[in-house]
Amino acid sequence: QKEVEQDPGPLSVPEGAIVSLNCTYSNSAFQYFMWYRQYSRKGPELLMYTYSSGNKEDGRFTAQVDKSSKYISLFIRDSQPSDSATYLCAMGWTGNNRKLIWGLGTSLAVNP
Amino acid sequence: DGGITQSPKYLFRKEGQNVTLSCEQNLNHDAMYWYRQDPGQGLRLIYYSQIVNDFQKGDIAEGYSVSREKKESFPLTVTSAQKNPTAFYLCASSSASGGAGIQYFGAGTRLSVL
Repeated sequence: QKEVEQDPGPLSVPEGAIVSLNCTYSNSAFQYFMWYRQYSRKGPELLMYTYSSGNKEDGRFTAQVDKSSKYISLFIRDSQPSDSATYLCAMGWTGNNRKLIWGLGTSLAVNP
Repeated sequence: DGGITQSPKYLFRKEGQNVTLSCEQNLNHDAMYWYRQDPGQGLRLIYYSQIVNDFQKGDIAEGYSVSREKKESFPLTVTSAQKNPTAFYLCASSSASGGAGIQYFGAGTRLSVL
C-alpha cells in the first residue's frame, strides 16, 4: 500500500461545477498537507497549505484535512476552464528531512 | 524576481552520453531537490540536499549524480548508466524556516534520447 493514495482520474466537469479532489494516507506522522497545481509541461505550483487539521479557504479553493480519517480534500467552486490541470497532493512531517510524500496527481478538465 | 531557474528547457541525449541539467535558485533556500516525472507515476525523488556540500539519495538515484558546491546551485547529471532517461525533470527548493515543508519548483527540463 502506498503511503499516499490519489485517484489519477481523469476527471471531466462542466464549467461552473463544484470539483472535489481527494487523497488518503496511511502515515499518522504527517503534519502538513499541500495541494499543488500543475499545468501541462510546467512545474507544479503551490495552491494550498494546511498545517495539522482543519479547513482553509482561499477564493474559490477550500482545503480540508481530516486526520482522524487520514483524508484530505480540495474543493474548487465555480470551476473555470483555466482550472484544467493536474492536481497533486503532498504531505510531510518535520522529522522527515523536509522530504514530501506525493500523490500521483488527478487530471482535471473543465469544459466550457 | 525570486525563483528557481532550470535550463535547458529541452535536452537530447545520445547513447552513452552524460548530460547535465542546471538548477539555480535565488530564494536563499537551504534545501534543494531533484524529481523525475513520468506519465502516470507522479513525482519520484532522485536526490536531495539540505546544506552545501551534502546530499542524499532519494528513491531512484541509480544512474544519476549531483553536486552542491554552492547554496544557489544543484546540478543533476544523467549518466550513461541511466538506461531509460526520457522524462520530465523538476528541481525544487525549500526553506528551513516558515511554511515548513513547502517546496517551490522550477519550470522543468524535458529530456529525450536520440
